[in-house]
Amino acid sequence: SYALTQPPSVSVSPGQTANITCSGDKLGDKYAWWYQQKPGQSPVLVIYQDSKRPSGIPERFSGSNSGNTATLTISGTQALDEADYFCQAWDSSTVVFGGGTKLTVL
Amino acid sequence: QITLKESGPTLVKPTQTLTLTCTFSGFSLSTSGVGVGWIRQPPGKALEWLGIIYWDDDKRYSPSLKSRLTITKDTSKNQVVLTVTNMDPVDTATYSCAHYSPLFSFDYWGQGTLVTVSS
Repeated sequence: SYALTQPPSVSVSPGQTANITCSGDKLGDKYAWWYQQKPGQSPVLVIYQDSKRPSGIPERFSGSNSGNTATLTISGTQALDEADYFCQAWDSSTVVFGGGTKLTVL
Repeated sequence: QITLKESGPTLVKPTQTLTLTCTFSGFSLSTSGVGVGWIRQPPGKALEWLGIIYWDDDKRYSPSLKSRLTITKDTSKNQVVLTVTNMDPVDTATYSCAHYSPLFSFDYWGQGTLVTVSS
């Protein structure tokens, strides 16, 4: 079955750029979505179709997808960006989520 | 404004069947392309997709759980029901429903409901 792999954790200093990767076989041939989840809250969509931002999502969130890796980039990371981030893709009409990455801003 | 809310038991015994209802507003499940998905998350763990039902009653399930899952809809009541048979303690998780569209995938989520499996 198809699998998406994310690093368990990423650390970044405030104001710096955070890159969170999501790897899967030929993931670049599919679309990737990204969700942000803060403790005790439901996931929030932050990137759809690889690189598009939903209304209300700050411009510092961006995405790319090529080859086997999709990347969520947070520029000028703020303390309020500290959260778990999950990637998601579709494979054979089923949904696959990555294992999630805990972003720590310190 | 799209909202979804899950309801059902918070505690079930091993081997029992779990039935959860997702009641939604702000969209119609008879609109072409629209769907409602179910996702669960064990405490402290990752999201796990369970399945989805589309406007045309097409359904897709997680391959690993397919034999235990059933998703149905009542368009007139704006409800989607998830049934999970033969519950086990490893099925303890927060179960959430979410609005699906082809462009955004899961763009609106319910608050989720924690279901504990214990005797």
